[in-house]
Order: sequence, then C-alpha cells, then structure tokens
Amino acid sequence: ILNVEQSPQSLHVQEGDSTNFTCSFPSSNFYALHWYRWETAKSPEALFVMTLNGDEKKKGRISATLNTKEGYSYLYIKGSQPEDSATYLCAGRSQGGSEKLVFGKGTKLTVNP
Amino acid sequence: SAVISQKPSRDICQRGTSLTIQCQVDSQVTMMFWYRQQPGQSLTLIATANQGSEATYESGFVIDKFPISRPNLTFSTLTVSNMSPEDSSIYLCSVNGARDGYTFGSGTRLTVV
Repeated sequence: ILNVEQSPQSLHVQEGDSTNFTCSFPSSNFYALHWYRWETAKSPEALFVMTLNGDEKKKGRISATLNTKEGYSYLYIKGSQPEDSATYLCAGRSQGGSEKLVFGKGTKLTVNP
Repeated sequence: SAVISQKPSRDICQRGTSLTIQCQVDSQVTMMFWYRQQPGQSLTLIATANQGSEATYESGFVIDKFPISRPNLTFSTLTVSNMSPEDSSIYLCSVNGARDGYTFGSGTRLTVV
C-alpha cells in the first residue's frame, strides 16, 4: 500500500453531533486497514483492525466500515463528546509478509462543548 | 496487549548533536518499529528492528543517520545523529499486537535548534 489518504484534514463539531471521516487506499494487494486514535501527548491507541470486505466494527459510539474493492473505509462517531477530540489515523498494510503500516495524515477532530 | 515505555518524552537539542531514544517493552517481541512524524506529515516508518540482526531501513533513511540497537527481545534504541532542524519531529516506537493492532510508545517530541 503506497498511499493512504484521509479526509477531511480537520473537523470541528458540536457536542452531540455525529460525524464521519474517510480513509482511502489502493485496493490492490490489500491485507489490512487499521484505525488509531491519537490524543496530544499520548500514545496512538488502536481502535480497529479490519481485513474483510464489508467488515463493520464497533466500539462504544465509534464504528468503522471497510470496502476493499473500492479502497475506502469510514469511521463514524455517534453523539460526539469533548473527550473524542483527537487525531484519527488510518493505516494500511499490504500483502506480502511485511508488517509495515502506511499511515494517512490523519483527521483532527475537535468537539466543542 | 504489550506496554511500551519510551523516553525521553521530549527534548530540545542543538544542531549537530545526537539524541538516543529508548523503548522498553513489557514482553518479548520479535520486531520493533520506529516511526517519525514531521510537522504536518504522516507517521512514516524509519526502520524495523529485529533482535540479533541489523535493522531494515525504509527508503530515504540510512543507518549512519538513524543507528538502531536491538540488544534483546524487550529493548531497542534509535539515535538521531548530527541533528538539523529538519529532524524536529515526534518519534515513536511500536510493536505489532496482531488482532489488537499495533501498540505505540508515548513518543519523543524532538526540537532541534
């Protein structure tokens, strides 16, 4: 996976709003798609590891979907809270045995009280 | 999942000097990964460190600039040598947690003046 793109670059929402971000990646040689949540001054925290086309995963108010044929994944946050403010990173991993992750630049979410 | 202790958490260094970053993992792991994030850029893999062999460097990164040690299965260091302001970045170490995603250290925020 040579290039992972995320949009939007940044997002401001009000508390209680639901929101979503996009991650796009080349569909050839796909192996896995990761989502991470990175708060300032903390470690990136793994949210989801997705491998199968059509996968949907959920953790609390956060969920993600995966379309490997068209090369995109969506991350959804329902009822955003100020503590959801962070940068959300997606990363792709290709087939071929390498454990290398290729990251997008991230979507910086700010949730205003 | 593994817990990684990374230090220092931040440093301000003079150009031309070197800084060594340490990562200690609470369990034995085969591979450790070193990433950096320059301002406004993606997390980018510098190299993969295997115990008992030389690190594997990604395109654009060389051993003379970023020497890595991996003396055992729980510890690794990355040195940023002969620093210039362009080396100002966040540096992260990471291990593969398989289905749980990758675990990261808390990062080293380096400023070169």
